Amino acid sequence: AQSVAQPEDQVNVAEGNPLTVKCTYSVSGNPYLFWYVQYPNRGLQFLLKYITGDNLVKGSYGFEAEFNKSQTSFHLKKPSALVSDSALYFCAVRPWGAAGNKLTFGGGTRVLVKP
Amino acid sequence: EPEVTQTPSHQVTQMGQEVILRCVPISNHLYFYWYRQILGQKVEFLVSFYNNEISEKSEIFDDQFSVERPDGSNFTLKIRSTKLEDSAMYFCASGGGGNTQYFGPGTRLTVL
Repeated sequence: AQSVAQPEDQVNVAEGNPLTVKCTYSVSGNPYLFWYVQYPNRGLQFLLKYITGDNLVKGSYGFEAEFNKSQTSFHLKKPSALVSDSALYFCAVRPWGAAGNKLTFGGGTRVLVKP
Repeated sequence: EPEVTQTPSHQVTQMGQEVILRCVPISNHLYFYWYRQILGQKVEFLVSFYNNEISEKSEIFDDQFSVERPDGSNFTLKIRSTKLEDSAMYFCASGGGGNTQYFGPGTRLTVL
């Protein structure tokens, strides 16, 4: 069975400072990894994904994530956070294979960026 | 940019009533999903649908739940007899055969 852990319920960061949101996963075989963001009263918005290749993937709004196979981690990063980045962030995993496989989500991390 | 849409945005119903949640996936997508998020909890997978049949379902998706793609555009989730514990945000998602699932804005279901 696959699982995702996001160890921090909330991350507070000052605007302009680097932002990191942690994620570790467990899955059989190679993983497909995803980050989604949820703004208040909105759906889940896709940010970025790791499928294969370069361990550093870049996504929307200046976000990037680094895949670390040995640590089974996929931490989300942004070099300089904006107040508008305040939202709920979800990490998700699915096993390598059929495109229709379900996503398993972590519990989410609330990011609060203070001016 | 194409989006997944869902209606209604909020549904209030009495326990024991049937509800139908509607979704319009992105038009050329082949894979369709329902997930739910109970307040304060994780997003949970309910069911996936491909080629006009269920491809996977979770233990949550019992006989009270059903899905249908009645025409070429809509994808529906029906709950036959709602329970209090069905109160949640229900998200529809679609995927185009690649690996990314795109989510709709959700329907908040409140069962009284």
